[in-house]
Amino acid sequence: EVQLVESGGGLVQPGGSLRLSCAASGFMFSSYSFNWVRQAPGKGLEWVAYISSTGSHIYYSDSVRGRFTISRDNAKNSLYLHMSNLRGADTAVYYCASKEAMENWGQGTLVSVSA
Amino acid sequence: QSVLTQPPSASGTPGQRVTISCSGSSSIIGSEDINWYQQFPGSAPKLLIYRSYERPSGVPDRISAYKSATSASLAISGLRSEDEADYYCAAWDDSLSGWVFGGGTKLTVL
Repeated sequence: EVQLVESGGGLVQPGGSLRLSCAASGFMFSSYSFNWVRQAPGKGLEWVAYISSTGSHIYYSDSVRGRFTISRDNAKNSLYLHMSNLRGADTAVYYCASKEAMENWGQGTLVSVSA
Repeated sequence: QSVLTQPPSASGTPGQRVTISCSGSSSIIGSEDINWYQQFPGSAPKLLIYRSYERPSGVPDRISAYKSATSASLAISGLRSEDEADYYCAAWDDSLSGWVFGGGTKLTVL
């Protein structure tokens, strides 16, 4: 069974940093691309970042470029999102989504940015 | 404002057929695969349609999708109360090198 489990969310002050993790199981992690997608409270889905299967291609949304870094460790079947210089507008549930069509999603982890 | 435009709401009665539209530029809708996702409150999105028309295993065939040059649609026939959810379209935008989502449509079963 495919499983994606996010962790690392929490309350952080504006300007702070946080690292999210996504642990994958049940499929060949190293063969697939991944995305981070977020959803602010009461709002729609917003794509954040993409990483190819080997990590050779990485893309970011304009809203996070220069502040967020997506990475992966294929040996650990894990995906990461390092977030820095966080703002209130970054408050959201963050989901990892796997494969080209974002076929599988984790349950999400909540990031709250507030003083 | 989303690159892909969806109506904020849609509704229907049990047994009816409902369609949800997703419009955008021909460079996205006409050229790229469209995915559709279903999301219940408090839960993660679930893939309903990929590559514009394909259903993942487990998605019933009363769920279907269509696409023209500038518009895509999700159709749900034999509407059921458990279909009440938010629905999102999405596509890869080459000009942005990223995914774009529609604003979402809240489907209410009356």
